Amino acid sequence: AQRVTQPEKLLSVFKGAPVELKCNYSYSGSPELFWYVQYSRQRLQLLLRHISRESIKGFTADLNKGETSFHLKKPFAQEEDSAMYYCALRPSGTYKYIFGTGTRLKVLA
Amino acid sequence: DSGVTQTPKHLITATGQRVTLRCSPRSGDLSVYWYQQSLDQGLQFLIQYYNGEERAKGNILERFSAQQFPDLHSELNLSSLELGDSALYFCASSDGTGNEKLFFGSGTQLSVL
Repeated sequence: AQRVTQPEKLLSVFKGAPVELKCNYSYSGSPELFWYVQYSRQRLQLLLRHISRESIKGFTADLNKGETSFHLKKPFAQEEDSAMYYCALRPSGTYKYIFGTGTRLKVLA
Repeated sequence: DSGVTQTPKHLITATGQRVTLRCSPRSGDLSVYWYQQSLDQGLQFLIQYYNGEERAKGNILERFSAQQFPDLHSELNLSSLELGDSALYFCASSDGTGNEKLFFGSGTQLSVL
């Protein structure tokens, strides 16, 4: 079954500390993977996608096909990074986006 | 503002009733997605439409149905409502041409009492 797993419901880190939000997926083909973010009182929005190999707001994510992971990382967390983060998978050739249950990141001052 | 409009924002109804949730996509977007978010369940994909046609189907119950109209707005109909249908229902839109960026609405919070 195609699935996205985000094992942490809540992750608390101190400002300036590195942060890693874990995402593992279950899919036998070539996936397209995304990170979406929801800041307080805002809508869910795209943060980054693996095909773009981009860094947004200091965040990066590398697709590891061997470990079927797409962890989101940032070397130095900022208070404004506090939000709900969702990892999503789009199986190739489909228009379905499968989301994980999300991880709430709290960056403490 | 992403431009995706969902109405109503809140809906309170009783078991056994039927409700309709409405979504207007971002201007120019042809594709509409519906998601259900229950407590601890994450975003569950329900259904997707592209230019009026159903394109992908997820875990949508038979009591639920949806359609996309010629003006591209979409409606999600939920009937014979049960307590467990209480959830936040999100609509998202995209241009459907291969640009995989989804733009989300603010959701409709459905409470079934």
